[in-house]
Amino acid sequence: NAGVTQTPKFQVLKTGQSMTLQCAQDMNHNSMYWYRQDPGMGLRLIYYSASEGTTDKGEVPNGYNVSRLNKREFSLRLESAAPSQTSVYFCASTETGGATSTIYFGEGSWLTVV
Amino acid sequence: RKEVEQDPGPFNVPEGATVAFNCTYSNSASQSFFWYRQDCRKEPKLLMSVYSSGNEDGRFTAQLNRASQYISLLIRDSKLSDSATYLCVVNWAGNMLTFGGGTRLMVKP
Repeated sequence: NAGVTQTPKFQVLKTGQSMTLQCAQDMNHNSMYWYRQDPGMGLRLIYYSASEGTTDKGEVPNGYNVSRLNKREFSLRLESAAPSQTSVYFCASTETGGATSTIYFGEGSWLTVV
Repeated sequence: RKEVEQDPGPFNVPEGATVAFNCTYSNSASQSFFWYRQDCRKEPKLLMSVYSSGNEDGRFTAQLNRASQYISLLIRDSKLSDSATYLCVVNWAGNMLTFGGGTRLMVKP
């Protein structure tokens, strides 16, 4: 079972470059999320999509944009990468809202901005 | 003050030991609580939900104390395979889950 698949797994960017992290889930989940994880900070929500066609800002949205392309796919774009965006990025999904549904994560994308 | 706080550890314990972690949360309106496990360089995975009455799953016991605003995780008879980071997760607003920074556990032979 694929679950949540995100690409790329590793990426090195130069400051100012742009890139898109791709995420897809095959569990027919309604809600999808993008988190970043930094040492000692826990996971912080960047953006989420409660359902197809909607997106909302999370705790740390600055510097990012998202697209909920369809029910399966939720992409995260860095328009002009900065060293502060060096982090591990996790895509996740839940059947409904996060309150009662188990949240399933992708394997993570390690991004370094130099 | 962080919304969800955990002692980062590491907790170094011998095999067979009992170890407990606490997690405090700041929002008294919090509705749902979870423990997730994260192995090194892997994604977090649900360990167990935490119910008001407390709940047990094998060697793992989770407790919720709403009055003092903390949840706990007790691991009995620790195994080497329990070595991981344990994340406390709290929900108080719809789809927004807030994660603690994690507590690292290292079980030694």
